[in-house]
Amino acid sequence: NAGVTQTPKFRVLKTGQSMTLLCAQDMNHEYMYWYRQDPGMGLRLIHYSVGEGTTAKGEVPDGYNVSRLKKQNFLLGLESAAPSQTSVYFCASSYLRRDYEQYFGPGTRLTVT
Amino acid sequence: SQQGEEDPQALSIQEGENATMNCSYKTSINNLQWYRQNSGRGLVHLILIRSNEREKHSGRLRVTLDTSKKSSSLLITASRAADTASYFCATASNDYKLSFGAGTTVTVRA
Repeated sequence: NAGVTQTPKFRVLKTGQSMTLLCAQDMNHEYMYWYRQDPGMGLRLIHYSVGEGTTAKGEVPDGYNVSRLKKQNFLLGLESAAPSQTSVYFCASSYLRRDYEQYFGPGTRLTVT
Repeated sequence: SQQGEEDPQALSIQEGENATMNCSYKTSINNLQWYRQNSGRGLVHLILIRSNEREKHSGRLRVTLDTSKKSSSLLITASRAADTASYFCATASNDYKLSFGAGTTVTVRA
């Protein structure tokens, strides 16, 4: 099993550009999450999904949109990138509830200039 | 917002020594989890301890939970160079949210 995979691994954007980060999991997990990790801040939840076709806001949702059209995929979109969105983005999934063990992808390092 | 706060922020030890890090939190929890993150990688789940448990072991890892003090500790015994990583506690609140702390960076010197 590949577990949780993320595409791309690195990306540099100019302010105002848009992009989509793709997350895929092959563990048949219902729950999926997008986090951002900034130095000294720990992980902060951006959006999450409790199943195919559902999405919900996390702690820091502004400037991001998500979609979960298929159970195995969770997409994170930035419509108009800002320097404040420079971060490392992690996707994760869990089998049942949000407070169960979460499986993380390798991360996407995004720089917005 | 961070529920758990790890202490210390950084720790440097000699190979073979034990490493202890602590996590304190503010509100009641369902469970507390510890994760490891190697440089440039994603987080890896280490251990989950439920609110009605006081101690749990997994290999060289020992986790304790004191709900009266709202604190947990992670002990790594007989450390190895491969244990060099950041360690995060994550607290699961009664509404099932999982909140991560800022982490403890552990360096194991050869």
